[in-house]
Amino acid sequence: SQQGEEDPQALSIQEGENATMNCSYKTSINNLQWYRQNSGRGLVHLILIRSNEREKHSGRLRVTLDTSKKSSSLLITASRAADTASYFCATAPGNTGKLIFGQGTTLQVKP
Amino acid sequence: DGGITQSPKYLFRKEGQNVTLSCEQNLNHDAMYWYRQDPGQGLRLIYYSQIVNDFQKGDIAEGYSVSREKKESFPLTVTSAQKNPTAFYLCASSIDSPRGANVLTFGAGSRLTVL
Repeated sequence: SQQGEEDPQALSIQEGENATMNCSYKTSINNLQWYRQNSGRGLVHLILIRSNEREKHSGRLRVTLDTSKKSSSLLITASRAADTASYFCATAPGNTGKLIFGQGTTLQVKP
Repeated sequence: DGGITQSPKYLFRKEGQNVTLSCEQNLNHDAMYWYRQDPGQGLRLIYYSQIVNDFQKGDIAEGYSVSREKKESFPLTVTSAQKNPTAFYLCASSIDSPRGANVLTFGAGSRLTVL
């Protein structure tokens, strides 16, 4: 079962532009996380936002969470070619320990 | 350096053979996980373990088996019963938080190809 669904599936932008990815989920959550995956590598944790938070920043990353709409967005500002990767949202349904990942958004940043 | 080590990085298997993927962590994390990733897809949970000598099935456990005899180790066996085992396998670990704020640390992955 997929708890999170990302949109769009693929995104191609020019260096310097902003990139926005969206994630929708189905059940109540305590927090939502975003991860990044470079091609053929493991995932790296980017940011966690708790259910009582609406917005969180980390460097060039801005994450928002709307629990009423069961959705989150990840904004990468002033993108760089090195930001080219796949980005996944992940949630833990209820109070279970297991983390469920969405299908991911593949971002290509052209130099 | 603390982290998760997966081996082998690449593995080829003939149909009908069992193979075991290794996952070792030195982060002193309680919880460990195995995910499967198919090309262009997200991650699907195979098994997870929150404590030594205990583990739970994820969404796609059929054809796989695990053990958790030591805190540091969580090997995954892909059995001959797994009908389509060719995939990228990712191991992860986390501090087990009762409120579910489990931030995962991932290994570099093992790519299994069935010939």
